[in-house]
Amino acid sequence: GENVEQHPSTLSVQEGDSAVIKCTYSDSASNYFPWYKQELGKRPQLIIDIRSNVGEKKDQRIAVTLNKTAKHFSLHITETQPEDSAVYFCAASKDTGRRALTFGSGTRLQVQP
Amino acid sequence: GAVVSQHPSWVICKSGTSVKIECRSLDFQATTMFWYRQFPKQSLMLMATSNEGSKATYEQGVEKDKFLINHASLTLSTLTVTSAHPEDSSFYICSAPAGLAGGEGEQFFGPGTRLTVL
Repeated sequence: GENVEQHPSTLSVQEGDSAVIKCTYSDSASNYFPWYKQELGKRPQLIIDIRSNVGEKKDQRIAVTLNKTAKHFSLHITETQPEDSAVYFCAASKDTGRRALTFGSGTRLQVQP
Repeated sequence: GAVVSQHPSWVICKSGTSVKIECRSLDFQATTMFWYRQFPKQSLMLMATSNEGSKATYEQGVEKDKFLINHASLTLSTLTVTSAHPEDSSFYICSAPAGLAGGEGEQFFGPGTRLTVL
């Protein structure tokens, strides 16, 4: 089955700096890669996603890049703000068939004011 | 986006009792729903896939006789934790594929149920 690895496990940045979180996946058939932000005790919140027919996607301060050949994708957050502090998860799935998500281990991002 | 609800949001029970958690898609139909479990400071791990009209599919290591899943209708799946023990204490989250309600591959998550077994 799919295996998703995520790094780093913790990340501390100063407000205004950029943050980058990286994930690798094992199943070359995976074609949907979402990123979630989760606050304590809450459900995961989709912040951006990318499909395998696209190499990069941007939404304001958030961007995701995908390298299908290397089987890795990254989340980029620019101009970080204290409210960006949370746990971020990457995930991978196929958008056909069973479609269950396989999650990375998570990154705790702390933005220092 | 589409809405998925869960009930209860939290539950405390005694060891040995059973607890039922409901997952509902409020404004779309879901022939498939997924149940995840999240222990403190860990990731979401898929437990099982709930299929309307057929048996659930369980992930390796998840006891099907302990975690009973019933997909009663196109909008409701239930997870029953039978004979719960303290090690079953966790955050249980369901999700449903968006289908026509969202982008291809997108899933909608319920708010989760915090189970504490004393």
